[in-house]
Amino acid sequence: DTEVTQTPKHLVMGMTNKKSLKCEQHMGHRAMYWYKQKAKKPPELMFVYSYEKLSINESVPSRFSPECPNSSLLNLHLHALQPEDSALYLCASSQDPGPGVDGYTFGSGTRLTVV
Amino acid sequence: ILNVEQSPQSLHVQEGDSTNFTCSFPSSNFYALHWYRWETAKSPEALFVMTLNGDEKKKGRISATLNTKEGYSYLYIKGSQPEDSATYLCAYLTTDSWGKFQFGAGTQVVVTP
Repeated sequence: DTEVTQTPKHLVMGMTNKKSLKCEQHMGHRAMYWYKQKAKKPPELMFVYSYEKLSINESVPSRFSPECPNSSLLNLHLHALQPEDSALYLCASSQDPGPGVDGYTFGSGTRLTVV
Repeated sequence: ILNVEQSPQSLHVQEGDSTNFTCSFPSSNFYALHWYRWETAKSPEALFVMTLNGDEKKKGRISATLNTKEGYSYLYIKGSQPEDSATYLCAYLTTDSWGKFQFGAGTQVVVTP
């Protein structure tokens, strides 16, 4: 299995809702990442998990809460989001922490709309 | 703050024509440059990783060059086909940016028959 699987593909949520995004990989990769991308902008790093521990938090608001229950699974819990949080949320993984020369394997993203 | 710029933002190409576009990046502390191909509703797919000044990589009709001294990489598509339609992202890595790719915003290529 050489894929990163993200679910759901699309999500519409209200500002008072709580929802979660899920990301799964079975390649034995030891680092996993959450990125946020707005239209026509570069993907922006949110969080990095290395060996199941949070190693980088790019000053992301607390309404986004990451979780890594095991080495294959990465969640992003969402609560009290704002309309400006609407974006594509991309998950990626890499064999070792830091993309290095191997780069990332990406999921196809979750398109989130906050209403 | 590192700034990776891709130009143009988008381009339209006739089927059979060749095209190229640019990824510009700061030339200091260079470690690696990655190119990804991203079709709509799919995952970005790794195309090339380039590490040495003067590197040239090729995959089918797509090739890339790297100039680390002046801070740019070109991606070329020869004889464009409709299946080449995608957004091409570059991602830059420095020796002091562990775990932190700096991505460009991408060049969207549309190939029309």
